[in-house]
Amino acid sequence: QQQVKQSPQSLIVQKGGISIINCAYENTAFDYFPWYQQFPGKGPALLIAIRPDVSEKKEGRFTISFNKSAKQFSLHIMDSQPGDSATYFCAASTGGSYIPTFGRGTSLIVHP
Amino acid sequence: DSGVTQTPKHLITATGQRVTLRCSPRSGDLSVYWYQQSLDQGLQFLIQYYNGEERAKGNILERFSAQQFPDLHSELNLSSLELGDSALYFCASSVVYSGDEQFFGPGTRLTVL
Repeated sequence: QQQVKQSPQSLIVQKGGISIINCAYENTAFDYFPWYQQFPGKGPALLIAIRPDVSEKKEGRFTISFNKSAKQFSLHIMDSQPGDSATYFCAASTGGSYIPTFGRGTSLIVHP
Repeated sequence: DSGVTQTPKHLITATGQRVTLRCSPRSGDLSVYWYQQSLDQGLQFLIQYYNGEERAKGNILERFSAQQFPDLHSELNLSSLELGDSALYFCASSVVYSGDEQFFGPGTRLTVL
């Protein structure tokens, strides 16, 4: 059972465009939603995270939008740059353990 | 560089063999997590140790075991290896037991032939 569903599997965007990655979850006990960025040959790195008491969180060009009633959250990358080309994972965790259940990942390619 | 180190970087072995993967957490981090990343299963949590004690278990096979030593480094032991165990194995660390930010190492790529 896939508890966190992520789409699309791959995404190609032109430089300067907006990249949007969506995730949906099933477990209503999830209360922490991080996004990780992974470059080839590297481990995942925390990019940005949100808790369900807010509907949006912005850090620079990266924004998480959160819809608690729909059990969905998304990552928006504004003004996408070639250096943003990486695999992005959404995740969710519960009850203070912070052990994430990951989505399957989205491979983002930003063309110059 | 996350500050988490893993050795070896690559490991090639045969079915039925046993291997040990090593992880050194960031200085000061007491919690260590192990993850498996494969094409068919994605990124999955295996096990967590905090200050030498097992704290949480995920989708870890009985053929796999781990431990955390007094100097806080951790080892993941994989035995009776099967072709399907070929994957990237990541170690992550955090400061506390339920640290919201985990810092991932570069991973060990295991290939079972």
